[in-house]
Amino acid sequence: RKEVEQDPGPFNVPEGATVAFNCTYSNSASQSFFWYRQDCRKEPKLLMSVYSSGNEDGRFTAQLNRASQYISLLIRDSKLSDSATYLCVVNSPYDKVIFGPGTSLSVIP
Amino acid sequence: DAGITQSPRHKVTETGTPVTLRCHQTENHRYMYWYRQDPGHGLRLIHYSYGVKDTDKGEVSDGYSVSRSKTEDFLLTLESATSSQTSVYFCAISPRSETYEQYFGPGTRLTVT
Repeated sequence: RKEVEQDPGPFNVPEGATVAFNCTYSNSASQSFFWYRQDCRKEPKLLMSVYSSGNEDGRFTAQLNRASQYISLLIRDSKLSDSATYLCVVNSPYDKVIFGPGTSLSVIP
Repeated sequence: DAGITQSPRHKVTETGTPVTLRCHQTENHRYMYWYRQDPGHGLRLIHYSYGVKDTDKGEVSDGYSVSRSKTEDFLLTLESATSSQTSVYFCAISPRSETYEQYFGPGTRLTVT
C-alpha cells in the first residue's frame, strides 16, 4: 500500500459545482496534513493545512478523520481558476513529508 | 512569495556530464529539500538538509549529491547525468515552527540527452 493515496481523477465539473477529493494515508503516527495545489508547469503551493477539528477557508473545507486515516477537501461553487492538480501531503518521520500523486480538476464553463 | 529562487530554470545537458542546480532562500530557514517530479510518480524526495553541513538522503538519492555550506544555499549535483534524470526539480524550504509546511521554488527543468 502506498503511503499516501488519492482519488485518481481527473475530475471534470461545471462552474458552480461542488467537488470533493479524498486522500488516505498509511502511517497512523502522522500528525500534520496539508492540501497543496499545483498549476500546470508550476510549483506546488500550499492551499491549506488540515486540522483535527476541520477547517474552512472561503469556498474550501478540509476535514480529517484520524480513525479511518483519511483527509478530504471540499470545494464549493467551483471557479474556472480552481482548475489545477490537488496534492494531499502527510508528514512522515524525520522531518519529511510524503506527497500523494495528486488529483486533477478541470472546471468547465 | 516565500523568497526562494532556483537556477538555472532550464538546462539541457549531455549524458555523462556533471550538473549542479542551485536553490537560494532569503528566509533564513533551517530546513531545505530537493524533490524531483515525474509523470506517474508525483513529487519524490532526493535529499534534504536540516542545517549548514547537515544533510540526509531521501527516497531517490542514487546519482545525486548535495551540499549546504551556507544557510541560504542548497546545491544539488548530478554527478554524471543520465537520461533517467530528465525531470523537473523543485527546491523547498520549511520554517519548521512545529509544522511541516513547505514552500517551493519555481523549479528547474532538466533535460539529459
